[in-house]
Amino acid sequence: AQRVTQPEKLLSVFKGAPVELKCNYSYSGSPELFWYVQYSRQRLQLLLRHISRESIKGFTADLNKGETSFHLKKPFAQEEDSAMYYCALRGGATNKLIFGTGTLLAVQP
Amino acid sequence: GAVVSQHPSWVICKSGTSVKIECRSLDFQATTMFWYRQFPKQSLMLMATSNEGSKATYEQGVEKDKFLINHASLTLSTLTVTSAHPEDSSFYICSAPPRVNYGYTFGSGTRLTVV
Repeated sequence: AQRVTQPEKLLSVFKGAPVELKCNYSYSGSPELFWYVQYSRQRLQLLLRHISRESIKGFTADLNKGETSFHLKKPFAQEEDSAMYYCALRGGATNKLIFGTGTLLAVQP
Repeated sequence: GAVVSQHPSWVICKSGTSVKIECRSLDFQATTMFWYRQFPKQSLMLMATSNEGSKATYEQGVEKDKFLINHASLTLSTLTVTSAHPEDSSFYICSAPPRVNYGYTFGSGTRLTVV
């Protein structure tokens, strides 16, 4: 079964500190992994996806198939990074996205 | 472009009444639309996939008769919560499937409160 696990409901860091939001997945085939962000009172936005291997707003995420992880990292957190972050998986022939439970990132000044 | 417009943004209704939520793709055509439900401080749970010209595909455990999903045209999908109860109160979000250069596009969500 497809499953996405985000173990941390809340992650609080100080401005300038490194950030790592954990995401583990369960899928038998080759999944496509995404990170979505939801800022306060805004709709979900795509942050990045593993196939692009890009860095958006300083965030990066590497797919580790051995550990079935797709952790989101940023070396220096900014206050404007405070938001809800969702890890999501798409697998198989369908376009269904399966979301993790989300992690609220709070960056303190 | 890739804009999905969802209405209403919020709605309060009495128990036993029905509420319709609309999701429109403004600048593209969508043959399918995903409908999610999000409980407070929880993740998005996929409820169903609407299909233009055919029946919606529901996820396991979702009541088809309570959550009526219709895909009337290539730009409109609707979710009707029938005979609403307080436990149906939630945040409902629609999403268009991924397209090249745009990925998945989400609506802004509808906050339903049943009193």
